[in-house]
Amino acid sequence: AQKVTQAQTEISVVEKEDVTLDCVYETRDTTYYLFWYKQPPSGELVFLIRRNSFDEQNEISGRYSWNFQKSTSSFNFTITASQVVDSAVYFCALSEAAGGGADGLTFGKGTHLIIQP
Amino acid sequence: NAGVTQTPKFRVLKTGQSMTLLCAQDMNHEYMYWYRQDPGMGLRLIHYSVGEGTTAKGEVPDGYNVSRLKKQNFLLGLESAAPSQTSVYFCASSPRGRIQETQYFGPGTRLLVL
Repeated sequence: AQKVTQAQTEISVVEKEDVTLDCVYETRDTTYYLFWYKQPPSGELVFLIRRNSFDEQNEISGRYSWNFQKSTSSFNFTITASQVVDSAVYFCALSEAAGGGADGLTFGKGTHLIIQP
Repeated sequence: NAGVTQTPKFRVLKTGQSMTLLCAQDMNHEYMYWYRQDPGMGLRLIHYSVGEGTTAKGEVPDGYNVSRLKKQNFLLGLESAAPSQTSVYFCASSPRGRIQETQYFGPGTRLLVL
């Protein structure tokens, strides 16, 4: 079973629309961290946010916001008033205590977001 | 401060050829990782290292070998390349490998095996 599921393979919206990228995770640990990375067409991986399992407060950074809900094991990412520059592949990732971090990150398969002008 | 760098950026190999991918970091990080990214698969961990002279297998280690002779370098070797190893390879590092640490990624190496 996938530990990190990003069910939306591709999303296409028109510029200025709001869009939410879903991330559902699975872990038996009580201590874990969740991450979002952005991969623009240039290919590099850009860190966006980190959230620990004990902090369920929503996070907002400009047009970006994240909703963490332990009850549904979800860590969703919303872009408000999307822009063409937001077009990228977005990855959700999990870091668990069981591996002590040494096992690296477990990534979802990514969501390809296309913002049409 | 270059962060994490990878060499080469792009390479084409024929089946059976060998090559080494080099990852270097200048942040004095203890932990280093090699991932591969395939279409629709996300990133998967190949091997990792918790410090100089140590390596360990990740999720998809078959067909690869690694070495960490110096703290700042982590090498990924393909002894006999196969078309299934066509992928984009990312190196990453983190200070002490703790679960809360952000991993810093290199720019990636695109490998095509014919």
